[in-house]
Amino acid sequence: DAGITQSPRHKVTETGTPVTLRCHQTENHRYMYWYRQDPGHGLRLIHYSYGVKDTDKGEVSDGYSVSRSKTEDFLLTLESATSSQTSVYFCAISRGTTGGPEAFFGQGTRLTVV
Amino acid sequence: AQTVTQSQPEMSVQEAETVTLSCTYDTSESDYYLFWYKQPPSRQMILVIRQEAYKQQNATENRFSVNFQKAAKSFSLKISDSQLGDAAMYFCAHHTGANSKLTFGKGITLSVRP
Repeated sequence: DAGITQSPRHKVTETGTPVTLRCHQTENHRYMYWYRQDPGHGLRLIHYSYGVKDTDKGEVSDGYSVSRSKTEDFLLTLESATSSQTSVYFCAISRGTTGGPEAFFGQGTRLTVV
Repeated sequence: AQTVTQSQPEMSVQEAETVTLSCTYDTSESDYYLFWYKQPPSRQMILVIRQEAYKQQNATENRFSVNFQKAAKSFSLKISDSQLGDAAMYFCAHHTGANSKLTFGKGITLSVRP
């Protein structure tokens, strides 16, 4: 199994507070992704990274920011959490097209915004 | 932008029978990859099968095979000899060759009747 860890695994937070989710990998994969999973919507890409300090937006990036200062860590921040951001968040890693495009996933973080 | 469409939200199959899950996609690229992922109730994302767009031969992994129709942008998954453990949500995904962006469909819930 790919070495990928998400933290925390569960979190309950109040509306308006900032929240940071962490994704840590030990595989030295170049690409890292953040998705959210909601019933009826599948997995939707929030942001992804193609290298240290190199990130790009996905289809549902509003209200989220990311940072990648080291290869192994990809942080997702909800700047001011809203109830619509209650979801299960998945991090994934990949070597990309040249090294192997398969994505390996973390176990997910269940976030509840009350 | 890439889109992945899974139009059937749910399907059911009798144990030991064969079932086909449909997926269509839209892309302007000629070089890409397609995947099917399985998500059991544990929530873990598991890679089922992969198809390279440049390969005409359909991928096969044991009881799982795909029907890849590049011109029609169709990528269906066939599960033969269905087992109770195949019950899960299945996601179709498209990976761009250019920037390794990975886009998922909404998923289909497969139930297996004993």
